This record gives sequence, structure tokens and C-alpha cells, in this order.
Amino acid sequence: SQTIHQWPATLVQPVGSPLSLECTVEGTSNPNLYWYRQAAGRGLQLLFYSVGIGQISSEVPQNLSASRPQDRQFILSSKKLLLSDSGFYLCAWTGLAGAVSYEQYFGPGTRLTVT
Amino acid sequence: KNQVEQSPQSLIILEGKNCTLQCNYTVSPFSNLRWYKQDTGRGPVSLTIMTFSENTKSNGRYTATLDADTKQSSLHITASQLSDSASYICVVSANSNYQLIWGAGTKLIIKP
Repeated sequence: SQTIHQWPATLVQPVGSPLSLECTVEGTSNPNLYWYRQAAGRGLQLLFYSVGIGQISSEVPQNLSASRPQDRQFILSSKKLLLSDSGFYLCAWTGLAGAVSYEQYFGPGTRLTVT
Repeated sequence: KNQVEQSPQSLIILEGKNCTLQCNYTVSPFSNLRWYKQDTGRGPVSLTIMTFSENTKSNGRYTATLDADTKQSSLHITASQLSDSASYICVVSANSNYQLIWGAGTKLIIKP
């Protein structure tokens, strides 16, 4: 069966510090991978998605970046965090790259607080 | 502008009672509509996915309906349990697995 992992679970970082959040998927090959951010009381906002190694599409311009160095690994990074980067970050995957109407499976999330 | 609006914003009901959550959307082109359940501090978990041709879909005590003409959906929860306390999120796919428009969710609290 497929599982998705995210770490760390919680993170408190000062403004201006770097960020690296990691997401890995097990039990599937060539998944579509997604990074979302959820602000308190708000809907999920898609940040990045990837259909393959090294292929990243950005949905929202910001000081975050994403990379996919391996098929089942997705990394969210920042060189300098802003207060507005605080939120709940979720990684998700779908099978059958490019398919429509396929289920998105979410990881447990990372709660980031920028102080 | 593609939007998904949910009502009510929050709802408190007693254990054992039924409730209905609403979702209105202005998304075009339409591919499918999904309902997710999100426990506090956890990732969302899918309840149902409905395409244009489906009017209703059930998952245990959860029943979702879709009216593609009026662009409305509802999620009905029967015989609520304490474990149903969560946020319920309506999501509409605009013809692509990448373009998901997320509602802000309805926060449901079940009281004993």
C-alpha cells in the first residue's frame, strides 16, 4: 500500500532563516506530487506541483521553491523566511500522471511558525 | 473567477443528529467535485468524488449530492458521531487534476 511521509511535523523558525521541508511517497511509481499551504481558517492554496523528476510548476509567485530530486521525493525550500510564510504545509500525491479525476492523498502536514 | 463557497462557516450539533453542509461553486470548465474531511492538524481525507453525470454518491453515513445545473453540492451526515467533528472541505476540479479550487471548509462540532 502507498504511504506518504512529511517531516518535520512542527517547526518554529525566525524570520530570515532558511527552510527545507521534505515529503516522500512509498509504494507507487511516477506519482504527481503537490505542495499546498493552508492558512488558519482558509482553504488550501496550491504552491507547486510536479509530474516528474526535475519538473516543477509554480502556481503562486513567492519566496518559496520546490525541487524533486528523486521520483518519490519532493522538497519545499526557502532561502529567507517571511512572517507570512507561517502556515500548515501539506504534501499530496496522485497516481497515473496526467490523469484527470484521480484521488489526492495527503501527508500528515508540517506546522510552520515563523517568529 | 473560479470560486468555491461553503456554508455554514461553522456548525454545532448534538451527537446522533443529522446535518447538511452546502457548497456553491463558479468553476468552469467543470471536471469533478470532491468532499474532504480534515481533522484538526491533519491532512484532508477524501470522502467522495463526483463527476458531471453523478447526482449522488454515498460513503457510509456521508451522502453527497451534486446539481451541475445550479452548481451546488451538499454533504449530508446521518446519525452524527463525535468522531465526525472536523472541517469538511468542498473542492472543485477545473478540468485538470492540477487545478483544484478549494473551499474554506465548514467546521463541524459534534457535542455529546
